[in-house]
Parts: sequence; structure tokens; C-alpha cells
Amino acid sequence: DTGVSQDPRHKITKRGQNVTFRCDPISEHNRLYWYRQTLGQGPEFLTYFQNEAQLEKSRLLSDRFSAERPKGSFSTLEIQRTEQGDSAMYLCASSFRQASTEAFFGQGTRLTVV
Amino acid sequence: SQKIEQNSEALNIQEGKTATLTCNYTNYSPAYLQWYRQDPGRGPVFLLLIRENEKEKRKERLKVTFDTTLKQSLFHITASQPADSATYLCALSPSGNTGKLIFGQGTTLQVKP
Repeated sequence: DTGVSQDPRHKITKRGQNVTFRCDPISEHNRLYWYRQTLGQGPEFLTYFQNEAQLEKSRLLSDRFSAERPKGSFSTLEIQRTEQGDSAMYLCASSFRQASTEAFFGQGTRLTVV
Repeated sequence: SQKIEQNSEALNIQEGKTATLTCNYTNYSPAYLQWYRQDPGRGPVFLLLIRENEKEKRKERLKVTFDTTLKQSLFHITASQPADSATYLCALSPSGNTGKLIFGQGTTLQVKP
């Protein structure tokens, strides 16, 4: 399968714990995005990478959130000291470095903080 | 403030009819707008992209229009089928060449046999 892959698909964690999600983009794509989606809402932009450089971060991304993309390949999103408000679907997408190109989304990681 | 809005109420139509979904935006000047389909528990899937200098785009049973004066896009599914039931999201790229997308909240379409 050459699509965007996310792991895990589901994560349940206790409040205050740290969690890390992984995203493997389509191999030839050099742009990678993280979005967060809550029930009944569209995805909200969190951050994006071009190759290994993190070029933009949303104000939604508090200092408890950190994302990396070492060597411009896979990416990780870590949430420290999770809160119940972090419960959401975390979506990863990748695309070519061109204007007006479609984004290819993974299946997402569903996080539940209890 | 900048907003992108879709009908939050679900759209219920009979199989075979045309579904029309609306996306309105304010305080953006997007160079293009995209439509995605999302099924429950899955990531969005790209359907169509329309540029600011295009009035209409078609793909099989899908048609998108883009009116930059009204700041509105319409998404049509003709000869709708129960398999078209899903949430449809419009998205625009606010500026620059980042590819970052701002999404509407989505409209859920239910096609009844």
C-alpha cells in the first residue's frame, strides 16, 4: 500500500500521560501536514513540514505539542501531559511541493484521554 | 474574521436526485478551493479542485462551481446513489504556497434508496 500510513489507529491514555503518533507519508511527497479533527467539525491545521523543516505551526499547537520529521521521511507528533480536551482524531496528510495540489490523508489516530 | 462555512444540517435526498452542497467563505481570497469526501472513522479523500479563474469543474457525476464575487462554491452530485452518503468538506488554501488547508465543518449527505 503506497498511501499515507498512521500508527496507532486508536490510543486511549490517562490524563497527564505522554503520547506519540507516527505518520509515514507517500514516499515521493516532500510536504507533510498534521491536522486535528473533533466530532462534527472539519480538520484543523496544526503544523506542516517541507522535507525536514517545520515551516508553520498553528496557535492551536500549545507547548505541550511537538512534531518532528527527521530526514524528511516519517513524522511524529508528541503530546505531553495529555488533557481531556486533547481527545480528537489526529490526521496526517502529505502532498507534492506545488501550489494547488491535493492532499492525501491517512486514516488518522483516534486519541481518547480518560 | 475569516470564516469558511458549510450547511451544518444534514442533507437528505432520494436516490437519483441531484444533491447540492454549499460552501461560503469570508475574508479570504483563495487561489483555489477543494472538495473532499469523508466516511466515518476515515481520513478525507480528495474529490475535486477548482481554481479562481475557473467557473466550473466536472468529474463524472460531480460538478463544482466557484464564484469569487459571491465567495461561494457549490458542489453537485447528479444521479445520487446511497453509496454517495458521506460527509463532504470544502477546503481552501488561505495564502502563499504552503498547501495548508482551512476546512469547513462539513455537510453530511444521506441518500435514501
